Amino acid sequence: DAGVTQSPTHLIKTRGQQVTLRCSPKSGHDTVSWYQQALGQGPQFIFQYYEEEERQRGNFPDRFSGHQFPNYSSELNVNALLLGDSALYLCASSLFAPQTGTGGGYTFGSGTRLTVV
Amino acid sequence: KQEVTQIPAALSVPEGENLVLNCSFTDSAIYNLQWFRQDPGKGLTSLLLIQSSQREQTSGRLNASLDKSSGRSTLYIAASQPGDSATYLCAVNNAGNMLTFGGGTRLMVKP
Repeated sequence: DAGVTQSPTHLIKTRGQQVTLRCSPKSGHDTVSWYQQALGQGPQFIFQYYEEEERQRGNFPDRFSGHQFPNYSSELNVNALLLGDSALYLCASSLFAPQTGTGGGYTFGSGTRLTVV
Repeated sequence: KQEVTQIPAALSVPEGENLVLNCSFTDSAIYNLQWFRQDPGKGLTSLLLIQSSQREQTSGRLNASLDKSSGRSTLYIAASQPGDSATYLCAVNNAGNMLTFGGGTRLMVKP
């Protein structure tokens, strides 16, 4: 059973450039969330996609955008890169559950390490 | 706004010790809580998931408890081994199915 797959694993970009990160969810999952993890900190929620729409968004600027495709895979795009965007970007998939507390947990990918120089 | 705190931030113990990692959260209206392990530069591996209606979950040498009313969870690791060395992250799931993470506890188990 394939888990969450992210590509690329590492990426180096120059300030001002644009980047696209990709994620394939675990089989059977329909929801994809993206997190940013700076060195030495816990992951911070960027946004979540379900049914090809952005459902929730964290405190990130509009330079961060995303997309979900009909096969549930997702992309994270970051425009006008800043040095502060250097981080590990994690994709997590889950099965969307009613708000009853009986939903399953999240499965994370290995991440994409983005370095902005 | 949910805030999650993990204590201690770092812990170093000799092999074989039993240890407890702590997680506290400010908003008790959670759906579930998940403990993860992260090796340096790697992704997150799920260890235990506790639903809001549950008090604890066990997997091998790991036991996690949840006290929603007091906003606390603990991860108990029995008979620690050098291979347990990693960062342990606690995450709570609030409305909207988004996770809020603590800063993690960096564990070092010395042979």
